[in-house]
Amino acid sequence: AQSVTQPDIHITVSEGASLELRCNYSYGATPYLFWYVQSPGQGLQLLLKYFSGDTLVQGIKGFEAEFKRSQSSFNLRKPSVHWSDAAEYFCAVGGYSTLTFGKGTMLLVSP
Amino acid sequence: EAQVTQNPRYLITVTGKKLTVTCSQNMNHEYMSWYRQDPGLGLRQIYYSMNVEVTDKGDVPEGYKVSRKEKRNFPLILESPSPNQTSLYFCASSLTGTTGELFFGEGSRLTVL
Repeated sequence: AQSVTQPDIHITVSEGASLELRCNYSYGATPYLFWYVQSPGQGLQLLLKYFSGDTLVQGIKGFEAEFKRSQSSFNLRKPSVHWSDAAEYFCAVGGYSTLTFGKGTMLLVSP
Repeated sequence: EAQVTQNPRYLITVTGKKLTVTCSQNMNHEYMSWYRQDPGLGLRQIYYSMNVEVTDKGDVPEGYKVSRKEKRNFPLILESPSPNQTSLYFCASSLTGTTGELFFGEGSRLTVL
């Protein structure tokens, strides 16, 4: 069965500092991997996705993620966090018909 | 504007009173899905539909029904709601399956007393 682990429930980062959110997955085949962001009171929005090719993928809002097959990881990064990045971030893994989400990491941005 | 629309956005009901949460998308997407979001549990898939008249169970289908009679609509039915179905529900759609971007509705917060 596929699964996703986001080990950090909350992370606090100072505005302007770099960010890395961790994601580990379990999947039997080559996975489709995603990062979604949820702002308060909103639905989820896709930040980026990976299936094949370059293991470093670029997304919207200055985010990037790196796929590491040997570590079963797909960590999300941003070089400089803005206050508007405060939100909940979900990593997801799946195939054609089902997508399994992690439990989410809440990002807090301090001034 | 491309969107997924859910109704109602907020609902308080009582145990056993049947209710339907509607979901409609205007993007001609084949794939639609329902998720529930609970604190500390993330999003869990309830049901999904690959196309009209094709539906399948997700991870937590107990107590729910769905139908897909038209491409644009995918209602979620709670025949006899119970308090453990108190949750935030999201409908999502995509062009084809979950390999592409899922577009989410704004959510429906359901409270069952």
